[in-house]
Amino acid sequence: GIQVEQSPPDLILQEGANSTLRCNFSDSVNNLQWFHQNPWGQLINLFYIPSGTKQNGRLSATTVATERYSLLYISSSQTTDSGVYFCAVPQAGTALIFGKGTTLSVSS
Amino acid sequence: DAGVIQSPRHEVTEMGQEVTLRCKPISGHDYLFWYRQTMMRGLELLIYFNNNVPIDDSGMPEDRFSAKMPNASFSTLKIQPSEPRDSAVYFCASSLSASGSTQYFGPGTRLLVL
Repeated sequence: GIQVEQSPPDLILQEGANSTLRCNFSDSVNNLQWFHQNPWGQLINLFYIPSGTKQNGRLSATTVATERYSLLYISSSQTTDSGVYFCAVPQAGTALIFGKGTTLSVSS
Repeated sequence: DAGVIQSPRHEVTEMGQEVTLRCKPISGHDYLFWYRQTMMRGLELLIYFNNNVPIDDSGMPEDRFSAKMPNASFSTLKIQPSEPRDSAVYFCASSLSASGSTQYFGPGTRLLVL
């Protein structure tokens, strides 16, 4: 099945710093989602981004489908950005396969 | 819309007891997914439904697990009998269509089996 790898596994930042999270996937996909799992365990949709670039406030994402990777950019990080960031792609066109996540800790 | 609704949010039970988790998908969504999250295995699919019909249950760990979707607005995941290794967070998600639309996740049910 399709493999999803995320890097780095852990990231520690000072408030105000910028960061880039990476997601590599092993096969062609027509869908990619980025999620933020907050410290309370909720999975929050960030982006649905099969290709191209999208921005939402301080967050933006870029997917280069032909090269099988996606990047999530967080600018001017805040303590509320802490948590685990997952990317996920569909297996056999439907159910999502998740990466292991990047754990982000932002300190003030 | 209220989003995907799951109940209970937390469940503590003893080994051998029956556990029933409930999910109400977003109205109008044709697909419903059950996922499980553990430290060891991360987030993994258990089963999904399309128009109330189970399509892929290959992720269901064993016969102790069963899932139903009697109508478009309700699904259950049942574990009978429960075991300590079933302790995990169980998420329900729904989407409008297959891979071409966003999956929206409920808040999850945190299950602890003693």
